[in-house]
Amino acid sequence: DTGVSQDPRHKITKRGQNVTFRCDPISEHNRLYWYRQTLGQGPEFLTYFQNEAQLEKSRLLSDRFSAERPKGSFSTLEIQRTEQGDSAMYLCASSSPSTSGRNTGELFFGEGSRLTVL
Amino acid sequence: SQKIEQNSEALNIQEGKTATLTCNYTNYSPAYLQWYRQDPGRGPVFLLLIRENEKEKRKERLKVTFDTTLKQSLFHITASQPADSATYLCALATGGFKTIFGAGTRLFVKA
Repeated sequence: DTGVSQDPRHKITKRGQNVTFRCDPISEHNRLYWYRQTLGQGPEFLTYFQNEAQLEKSRLLSDRFSAERPKGSFSTLEIQRTEQGDSAMYLCASSSPSTSGRNTGELFFGEGSRLTVL
Repeated sequence: SQKIEQNSEALNIQEGKTATLTCNYTNYSPAYLQWYRQDPGRGPVFLLLIRENEKEKRKERLKVTFDTTLKQSLFHITASQPADSATYLCALATGGFKTIFGAGTRLFVKA
């Protein structure tokens, strides 16, 4: 399978615990995005990497959230001291730049990691 | 403030009819607009992209229009099938790195 893969697909944790999600993008894609989606809403942008550089972070990404993409390939999203409000689907997407280099919005999403905080 | 609005009410149509979904946006001047399909519990799947200088784009049974004056896009599925039942998300590439999504419209196609 050459699509975007995310792990784990489901995570149930207790409030206050730390969780980490992993994303493996499509291999030739240098752009990687994390989004969060709650029921009935569209995906909300969290952060963006171009290769290993984190170029943009949303204000939604509080100090408890950190994302890395150490070698410009896979990425991890860690949530420390989870709260019930963190319960959501965490989506990873990747893309390759268009011929113009601009963001066309054509993203390839993984199946998501669903987090439930009790 | 910047907003993308999609009809929050579900759209119910009969098989074989044309489904039309609406996306309106404010305070953006997007260079690109996209439509995605999302099934329950799964990630969005890219369907179509239309550029600001294109009025209409087609792909098989799908048609998208983009009116930058009205700040609106219409998404049509012709000869709809029960398998088309899903949530359809409108998204905008804002010129930077971000792609911003609407909340989506649920479509139900009855056999």
